Amino acid sequence: DSGVTQTPKHLITATGQRVTLRCSPRSGDLSVYWYQQSLDQGLQFLIQYYNGEERAKGNILERFSAQQFPDLHSELNLSSLELGDSALYFCASSVGTDNSPLHFGNGTRLTVT
Amino acid sequence: TQLLEQSPQFLSIQEGENLTVYCNSSSVFSSLQWYRQEPGEGPVLLVTVVTGGEVKKLKRLTFQFGDARKDSSLHITAAQPGDTGLYLCAGALRLLETSGSRLTFGEGTQLTVNP
Repeated sequence: DSGVTQTPKHLITATGQRVTLRCSPRSGDLSVYWYQQSLDQGLQFLIQYYNGEERAKGNILERFSAQQFPDLHSELNLSSLELGDSALYFCASSVGTDNSPLHFGNGTRLTVT
Repeated sequence: TQLLEQSPQFLSIQEGENLTVYCNSSSVFSSLQWYRQEPGEGPVLLVTVVTGGEVKKLKRLTFQFGDARKDSSLHITAAQPGDTGLYLCAGALRLLETSGSRLTFGEGTQLTVNP
């Protein structure tokens, strides 16, 4: 058990809808990272927060947004969903911001129909 | 184009055989991490290598970081069915402007060890 909790485990929704994925980091970790994993593109970095502030941005679409709250949990919001957004979305946490080992949750499997 | 290229993509071997998987890039990384991922779970960290030329051993697994910090290899001796999984390398690029760190993953090597 990595200590990182992601909810929900599975999500099925229709195109055009909006969903929110939730992540609770491991106790003591201040950084939260979001990754998207699909069969054809592997694990793609979306965004990183450290202690509530955005620290790094990757290949995150404008339709997607995230935030980290004062209690350090994070939410990833996906809107105007498209079929191609179907993927596994992983949250990871680490103690610091620089090269800290990542601890991954078990992901949310999003299916857009 | 993928920043980190892993090879081979797929590897199926018999129990007891040795194997090496490679992780190559044209970029220099401040560190490189190896993860293993099993179906339905998130990646789990195996090792972090930081210094060029560094070699780390974890039981039957040997990890090497290239001298130029652009590539790495993972060697498994006497593979066992329990080693089956997706092996991912990830390079860390430090973002000086934000003090963040972007970890870029390769696409992985899917290893199957048959009993």
